[in-house]
Amino acid sequence: GEDVEQSLFLSVREGDSSVINCTYTDSSSTYLYWYKQEPGAGLQLLTYIFSNMDMKQDQRLTVLLNKKDKHLSLRITDTQTGDSAIYFCAESPYGGSQGNLIFGKGTKLSVKP
Amino acid sequence: EPEVTQTPSHQVTQMGQEVILRCVPISNHLYFYWYRQILGQKVEFLVSFYNNEISEKSEIFDDQFSVERPDGSNFTLKIRSTKLEDSAMYFCASSLRQGAVTEAFFGQGTRLTVV
Repeated sequence: GEDVEQSLFLSVREGDSSVINCTYTDSSSTYLYWYKQEPGAGLQLLTYIFSNMDMKQDQRLTVLLNKKDKHLSLRITDTQTGDSAIYFCAESPYGGSQGNLIFGKGTKLSVKP
Repeated sequence: EPEVTQTPSHQVTQMGQEVILRCVPISNHLYFYWYRQILGQKVEFLVSFYNNEISEKSEIFDDQFSVERPDGSNFTLKIRSTKLEDSAMYFCASSLRQGAVTEAFFGQGTRLTVV
């Protein structure tokens, strides 16, 4: 079945770039998503990328998609302590015809001052 | 900014009891979802709801679970007879549309602890 895998932890220093990686299995996924979860809060949609794109940039966030390898990454430049959170990668299977999302376990990003 | 709100934030219940988790989706949204996250595990899809009926459900969503939109603003998840393994964080979400891209907005979650 569909699966999304992420590394569980990432630690960076303030001001450095963070790269969070994700692999997925459903080649029919039309959109891939990145969500952020701060402590005690819900999942916040950060960005998404359409499967026919290789890259999407939004201010400090850059999403890279390698569809051949089914690899998605989220790069955060100039990482700040406020970026400390859990980041979830998600795909919408069945070409997005249904609304359910398949999530990874989440990568906990720790930003050290 | 509109947001999805969930109550309570934490619910403790005894095994075998019924619980109702409540959610108020964003007012103009049409699609509603429940997800859950067992501690240390992935966020898992439970059910989606549109036009007053279930549109999709996962294997997890068995006969113990039901959803309802009783009054046009609330969206509830009922677990009839809770089991220890139902302990998890339950997230409600809503979206304006579905299909091409699902921009789902999530609530802060209800932590359910079954003892």
